[in-house]
Amino acid sequence: DQQVKQNSPSLSVQEGRISILNCDYTNSMFDYFLWYKKYPAEGPTFLISISSIKDKNEDGRFTVFLNKSAKHLSLHIVPSQPGDSAVYFCAASAEAGNNRKLIWGLGTSLAVNP
Amino acid sequence: DAGITQSPRHKVTETGTPVTLRCHQTENHRYMYWYRQDPGHGLRLIHYSYGVKDTDKGEVSDGYSVSRSKTEDFLLTLESATSSQTSVYFCAISIGGASGDEQYFGPGTRLTVT
Repeated sequence: DQQVKQNSPSLSVQEGRISILNCDYTNSMFDYFLWYKKYPAEGPTFLISISSIKDKNEDGRFTVFLNKSAKHLSLHIVPSQPGDSAVYFCAASAEAGNNRKLIWGLGTSLAVNP
Repeated sequence: DAGITQSPRHKVTETGTPVTLRCHQTENHRYMYWYRQDPGHGLRLIHYSYGVKDTDKGEVSDGYSVSRSKTEDFLLTLESATSSQTSVYFCAISIGGASGDEQYFGPGTRLTVT
């Protein structure tokens, strides 16, 4: 039973256009959400996060939107660049006793075409 | 750069042999994690540690054990490797205060069990 779902395994976008990656979650106890980017043969790298008390967080070309009522978040990349081509993971966390653990989606592979 | 290294980076071993993977950090962070990444499964938590000698199981802990005798080192051991443990293994640390929602990853170890 996947608590964090990324329903699109892949996405292809033209350079300069907007990339929108989506993520849905089922656990209403999640209070912090993160996006990671992963290139082949490397570890995931932290990209951007958002607390459940906010509905938007922006960092340069990357913006994350959170819709708590719909249990949905999205990552917008504007403008998309070929170097953004990677697998993007959505993750969520909640208080869990001694430690907060991250629950991960399966990832969306983004291809930005020149 | 969170100063995380993993060794070895690649390993091929035979079924039934013991294998130990090492994660080393340079900045004395309290929380450390071991994940495996497999196609169709995203990142799955194997074990984690919240301090020296303090460890707990993740969602896929069967067949794995861990040890943390020093803050900087977190070891993952496969007592008797099986082909189902062929995977890419990532170590991560948390740096975000007591809860540590943001995790930072090492470069990974590609393990093949023949």
